[in-house]
Amino acid sequence: EVQLVESGGGLVQPGRSLRLSCAASGFTFGDYAMHWVRQAPGKGLEWVSGLTWNSGSIGYVDSVKGRFTISRDNAKNSLYLQMNSLRTDDTALYYCAKRGASGGFDIWGQGTMVTVSS
Amino acid sequence: EIVLTQSPGTLSLSPGERATLSCRASQSVSSSYLAWYQQKPGQAPRLLIYVASSRATGIPDRFSGSGSGTDFTLTISRLEPEDFAVYYCQQYGDSPRTFGQGTKVEIK
Repeated sequence: EVQLVESGGGLVQPGRSLRLSCAASGFTFGDYAMHWVRQAPGKGLEWVSGLTWNSGSIGYVDSVKGRFTISRDNAKNSLYLQMNSLRTDDTALYYCAKRGASGGFDIWGQGTMVTVSS
Repeated sequence: EIVLTQSPGTLSLSPGERATLSCRASQSVSSSYLAWYQQKPGQAPRLLIYVASSRATGIPDRFSGSGSGTDFTLTISRLEPEDFAVYYCQQYGDSPRTFGQGTKVEIK
C-alpha cells in the first residue's frame, strides 16, 4: 500500500524548534519530488516547501525562508522539515505529499499538527 | 508569485445538478501545470485533475477539467452525495507552488 506517515508535531513555544518527519512506503521514494503543505485551523491549503528527487532543487514559501529547512534521506525513505524560530502563525496541520509522475500531488499523508503557543 | 483566485466561494446545489468551479491565475500557468483537489472534513486532500484536464487514477468521469493560460474550470457533471466538499486549484509550474483559497460545494 502506498503510504505517507507524518510525525513530530506537537505544542511548542514561539521561538523554539521542531522537526517533522514523513515516512514513505509502497513506492520508490527516491524517484519522486516531495513537498510539505500546511493548513491552519479552518483555513485553506498553503504550500510550504518542496524538493526534487535528488535534492538538487529546493523551494520555500517566502514566509518560512531562513527558518525552515527541507531535506530527505532516500536510503531511509524519509522526508524531513526542520522548523526553527517558530511563530504563532506557523500553527497548522502539516501534510507531506508526493508529486505524481505526471504532475500534481497524488499521495498525501494524514498530517501532523503543530501548535505554536506560549 | 502566481495568485490563484477561485470563484464562487460557496456553491449551493442539489444532488444531480452540474457544478462549475472557476480558478483564475494572476499570470499564465506554465505548461498548464494546474491541478484540482477535493478535501472533505477531517481528511487529506485528494488529487482529482492534473495538467488542467487529466483525471487522476480512480477519479470518476463526472469530474472534468478544462482551460489554459490564466483561466481554468472544474466541472462536476452530476453531483453525487459524496461530492459535497471543498475544492482547491493549485499551480505547480512555478515556485512557490500556490493554491487557490477554495470553493465549498454544499447541499442546497
